[in-house]
Amino acid sequence: EVQLLESGGGLVQPGGSLTLSCAASGFTFSRYGMSWVRQAPGKGLEWVSAIRGDGGSTYYADSVKGRFTISRDNSKNTLYLHMNSLRAEDTAVYYCAKTIFGKNWFDPWGQGTLVTVSS
Amino acid sequence: EIVMTQSPATLSVSPGERATLSCRASQSVSSNLAWYQQKPGQAPRLLIYGASTRATGIPARFSGSASGTEFTLTISSLQSEDFAVYYCQQYNNWPLTFGGGTKAEIK
Repeated sequence: EVQLLESGGGLVQPGGSLTLSCAASGFTFSRYGMSWVRQAPGKGLEWVSAIRGDGGSTYYADSVKGRFTISRDNSKNTLYLHMNSLRAEDTAVYYCAKTIFGKNWFDPWGQGTLVTVSS
Repeated sequence: EIVMTQSPATLSVSPGERATLSCRASQSVSSNLAWYQQKPGQAPRLLIYGASTRATGIPARFSGSASGTEFTLTISSLQSEDFAVYYCQQYNNWPLTFGGGTKAEIK
């Protein structure tokens, strides 16, 4: 069974940094693309970033480009999202999701981790 | 950026009735369109990909169709567990984009 487990969320001040992790199991991690998708409280879904299975290509939403960095460690079956210069509008539940790179629908999703940016 | 527009925002349906949800893309996305269901406090779940292919384990009452840039998710007979928010998503172009969602509520 494919499982994705996010961690690392919490309360951070504006301008601060945070790194999210997503531990994957139940599939050959290096063969699949991965994405981060976020959902602000009471709002819809927003794709944040994606990375190819070998880590060779990455993509970002304009809203996070230059502030967030996606990476992966295939030896640890773990996906990361390094978030810098955080803003109040980055407050959201962050989900990791598995994709077939090039066919970028999301299946499955992790349970999410909440990031709150506030002073 | 491709803008995905879903309608209606809220759909009031009685159990057992048919529900039709719409999603329009601002430009062609071919058949690179997925549908998700999200219940309160839960992560989204993939229902449909390729505009019309049901994901593994999704009941046959869920179906998807496409006509140009217009996409439709049909639930043939709403069950109590189907009352949720539904999102469409295009994966034809970067950035990947979602519609704003349609909430199916009990009438």
